[in-house]
Amino acid sequence: DTGVSQNPRHKITKRGQNVTFRCDPISEHNRLYWYRQTLGQGPEFLTYFQNEAQLEKSRLLSDRFSAERPKGSFSTLEIQRTEQGDSAMYLCASRRGANTEAFFGQGTRLTVV
Amino acid sequence: AQTVTQSQPEMSVQEAETVTLSCTYDTSENNYYLFWYKQPPSRQMILVIRQEAYKQQNATENRFSVNFQKAAKSFSLKISDSQLGDTAMYFCAFMKHANSGGSNYKLTFGKGTLLTVNP
Repeated sequence: DTGVSQNPRHKITKRGQNVTFRCDPISEHNRLYWYRQTLGQGPEFLTYFQNEAQLEKSRLLSDRFSAERPKGSFSTLEIQRTEQGDSAMYLCASRRGANTEAFFGQGTRLTVV
Repeated sequence: AQTVTQSQPEMSVQEAETVTLSCTYDTSENNYYLFWYKQPPSRQMILVIRQEAYKQQNATENRFSVNFQKAAKSFSLKISDSQLGDTAMYFCAFMKHANSGGSNYKLTFGKGTLLTVNP
């Protein structure tokens, strides 16, 4: 068990480009979450998967954002036509059961220039 | 909707001393969990301690303890015998209980408190 893994750790992109992040949860964790953390703020919920089903999306997740979790294993978060306001740390977390501890990855820091 | 407020953006403490971080929250739920997470610089967030709202006894984990006041909706974290490795951002977080219906067990975080432990 190597913990929650996120790639890349850092991403710098030009405004208007598309980016994709990957999260590998702890094996056998069927619940997976994406959060966004901007400077000086706590993480904010973006979306939630139970196995391969995306069960909840925050209003923060605009049409330019899409997340997938094929086969209920790893997940990807794609941002299309990036904007400077998308610059943030994107965190992934997973948990095994309903009331169990959530484990976080180290995050992907996105900078849009 | 739930809200979590941490009114102390930054705090500092001398090594070996005790420090208390404050957190208040607002919810209409009766059954829920409260957490303190630690986020060291450039490292992942880790769980420090958790409290179940239906338990009256305050949670304790080694040097970390909480003061949970349900009626006041207050949930403070006390760190005893502070160590240099305790330097980090600390986030208070709320989660609806599984029995609350419709809970996806997502976390609602406060803005965090940056704690610096000085040698």
